[in-house]
Amino acid sequence: AQTVTQSQPEMSVQEAETVTLSCTYDTSESDYYLFWYKQPPSRQMILVIRQEAYKQQNATENRFSVNFQKAAKSFSLKISDSQLGDAAMYFCAYRSGVYSGGGADGLTFGKGTHLIIQP
Amino acid sequence: DAGVIQSPRHEVTEMGQEVTLRCKPISGHDYLFWYRQTMMRGLELLIYFNNNVPIDDSGMPEDRFSAKMPNASFSTLKIQPSEPRDSAVYFCASHWRKNTEAFFGQGTRLTVV
Repeated sequence: AQTVTQSQPEMSVQEAETVTLSCTYDTSESDYYLFWYKQPPSRQMILVIRQEAYKQQNATENRFSVNFQKAAKSFSLKISDSQLGDAAMYFCAYRSGVYSGGGADGLTFGKGTHLIIQP
Repeated sequence: DAGVIQSPRHEVTEMGQEVTLRCKPISGHDYLFWYRQTMMRGLELLIYFNNNVPIDDSGMPEDRFSAKMPNASFSTLKIQPSEPRDSAVYFCASHWRKNTEAFFGQGTRLTVV
């Protein structure tokens, strides 16, 4: 079974600064997807960014980017120019790929990192 | 599209009562998932459906939990009888087979007293 580990229960950053959230995972599969979801106090789960394992290029979405290290099974999220609206719980998640025989096994989540933005 | 719609948003019930949570997935999505979120266990997959058929219910904690998907636009998660330890936020999510992104509903916060 796959596992996802987020070792930082809480992180704090000054507004406009850059912060990196860590995530490691364990899998024997070669085809999979990785995601970062944001959960603000409204509790809505919002997709921030996704990465396909077969892609070497790190995904980027505006101020959000990832550092995907496949060999190290590491998938960190970098938030640049932090804004007050970025304050939320951030969850790293794993999902098997289509060619792993279980392309829709559901998401395996880490425990989350609570991100605090200091004004 | 209105997104994944869950109802109710909040539910407070007494121990022993039956609780039914509802979900309407995004039109055209053929996968539907039920997740539970608690402080202790985080987010965990309970059950999922493909084309209205339950595929994996190994995450359902006990026989008190059951889920159905009578058609492509509606699913229910039922707890009978409910217990205080069932208190949690229950999420429904859906996605399309060739799309890796899962869209979540706003969740139902269940409190069993």
